Amino acid sequence: AQSVSQHNHHVILSEAASLELGCNYSYGGTVNLFWYVQYPGQHLQLLLKYFSGDPLVKGIKGFEAEFIKSKFSFNLRKPSVQWSDTAEYFCAVKRSYGGATNKLIFGTGTLLAVQP
Amino acid sequence: GAGVSQSPSNKVTEKGKDVELRCDPISGHTALYWYRQSLGQGLEFLIYFQGNSAPDKSGLPSDRFSAERTGGSVSTLTIQRTQQEDSAVYLCASSGNRGPGELFFGEGSRLTVL
Repeated sequence: AQSVSQHNHHVILSEAASLELGCNYSYGGTVNLFWYVQYPGQHLQLLLKYFSGDPLVKGIKGFEAEFIKSKFSFNLRKPSVQWSDTAEYFCAVKRSYGGATNKLIFGTGTLLAVQP
Repeated sequence: GAGVSQSPSNKVTEKGKDVELRCDPISGHTALYWYRQSLGQGLEFLIYFQGNSAPDKSGLPSDRFSAERTGGSVSTLTIQRTQQEDSAVYLCASSGNRGPGELFFGEGSRLTVL
């Protein structure tokens, strides 16, 4: 079965520090990859996505992610975090062919706390 | 409405009671999903609707859980004979034509079973 692993459960950084959150998935076929973010008290929203093409994807608020097929990874990065980036971050994967289901499989999330 | 709407936002119930959670997706979105979010567990897929049919209900934890969707719009998730382990935030999401897999989430329904 498909699974998504986020190895960092809780990350604490100071403002201006660089961020990298790990995400690995288990499915061997063609996939679509996503990062979602949940700010305190808000609903989940899409941060960025990869379907095909350039494996370096840029999202909102200065975030980017790199798809490395050989490593089954889709790590999220930001060169310099801000206090407002404090949130929970979820990696998700979907089989790109769809088939009978269009479901996204989510990781367990990484809680990021940025200290001012 | 502009976004996915869920009700109730908060529900406290006693063990053994039935509960119904409602989701009103973004107008025109044909796909609808239910997920469950528990502390430290991430988002657990429950069921997926395309229109009124559910091609994937593989995530429903037991036969106490059921869901339906009518008119290609509103969906109801029903939990019968609730147990304490059912306590979680139940999230609904819908998806339209902007890209497969790009889900728009509601605020969730927080269920507490005493």
